[in-house]
Amino acid sequence: AQSVTQLGSHVSVSEGALVLLRCNYSSSVPPYLFWYVQYPNQGLQLLLKYTSAATLVKGINGFEAEFKKSETSFHLTKPSAHMSDAAEYFCAVRGGSQGNLIFGKGTKLSVKP
Amino acid sequence: ETGVTQTPRHLVMGMTNKKSLKCEQHLGHNAMYWYKQSAKKPLELMFVYSLEERVENNSVPSRFSPECPNSSHLFLHLHTLQPEDSALYLCASSQDTGRSGNTIYFGEGSWLTVV
Repeated sequence: AQSVTQLGSHVSVSEGALVLLRCNYSSSVPPYLFWYVQYPNQGLQLLLKYTSAATLVKGINGFEAEFKKSETSFHLTKPSAHMSDAAEYFCAVRGGSQGNLIFGKGTKLSVKP
Repeated sequence: ETGVTQTPRHLVMGMTNKKSLKCEQHLGHNAMYWYKQSAKKPLELMFVYSLEERVENNSVPSRFSPECPNSSHLFLHLHTLQPEDSALYLCASSQDTGRSGNTIYFGEGSWLTVV
């Protein structure tokens, strides 16, 4: 069975600092991995996805993630945090019997001025 | 705007009421999903429809009844709910089911409060 684990339910950074949100996956087949962001009172918005092309994936709003098979990781980074990045971030793998998304528990990012 | 529209955005209902959540996708997709997001649990898949046929029912209580009259519309009929059913219900769509790299697009969600 496929699964993802997000380390840290809450991450706090200062504005301008590096953002690093961790995600590890478990999969017996090459995974399709996704990062979504959820702003307060909104649905989920796709940030980026890995589909077995380039291992370094660039997404919206300056985020990127690197797929590392040896570490079974797909960590999300952004060089410089902005106040508007405050949100909850979900890592997911497309798996299950119907190819649905299997989500991690989410990481809430706070950005301090 | 993701191309997936959910109504109502907020719903308060009593435990004896019957109500419905509606979802419409304007993306020409063939698959639609209902997910539940509550404070206590990670995002949970409830139902999957592919070409209007239900292909997954993730052990959801019968007080939740989905309906997919065509590939663009998905409903979640609610009756005799419990307070623990209060949550954000998210509708989503994708080009296909199956394990692929195609993106699953989400609506804004419907906040349900059961009193």
